Amino acid sequence: GQQVMQIPQYQHVQEGEDFTTYCNSSTTLSNIQWYKQRPGGHPVFLIQLVKSGEVKKQKRLTFQFGEAKKNSSLHITATQTTDVGTYFCAGLSGGSNYKLTFGKGTLLTVNP
Amino acid sequence: DGGITQSPKYLFRKEGQNVTLSCEQNLNHDAMYWYRQDPGQGLRLIYYSQIVNDFQKGDIAEGYSVSREKKESFPLTVTSAQKNPTAFYLCASSVSGRTQFFGPGTRLTVL
Repeated sequence: GQQVMQIPQYQHVQEGEDFTTYCNSSTTLSNIQWYKQRPGGHPVFLIQLVKSGEVKKQKRLTFQFGEAKKNSSLHITATQTTDVGTYFCAGLSGGSNYKLTFGKGTLLTVNP
Repeated sequence: DGGITQSPKYLFRKEGQNVTLSCEQNLNHDAMYWYRQDPGQGLRLIYYSQIVNDFQKGDIAEGYSVSREKKESFPLTVTSAQKNPTAFYLCASSVSGRTQFFGPGTRLTVL
């Protein structure tokens, strides 16, 4: 079945440093979504990427979808303590319009 | 106020007992999902339903059962056949394959 690998599993940074998490799918994706889960909370949707090579920005967050639509990344510039949480990527393959496959997530901690 | 509700937030049960977790949404979404989250394991799909009276097994359906009698409701039963039921359970809903909206979750502890 489809697998989505996400690295790193953990990342600890000093406030102000940059952060990147990467996702790799075993199959071509029709879209990839990113979610953030704060400690003790539930996942919250951040963004969806659909087109090959797509790049989207949300303030300090930059999301990329690879040309082959099998990988994606999330980059945070100048981290803040409010960025703490687990970031998940989730891929939708062409075989299903409903079943997202989630990566295991990257837990980001920020030292003030 | 639209959203997804899950109850209760914390649930304790004795080993060998079945337990049903509630999930209700008023977003008029056609699809609903149940995930299990364990530390370091991410989100694993238990069951999902695209329409009323229809549902499909996810990746870890063994020991669980669901029903979808109403569009708004998708209860999950954790049966005594589930060997390691202690976990954080998340319900979500979506319109087709678009954004999934998650409920606050139920933390189940089996003693």
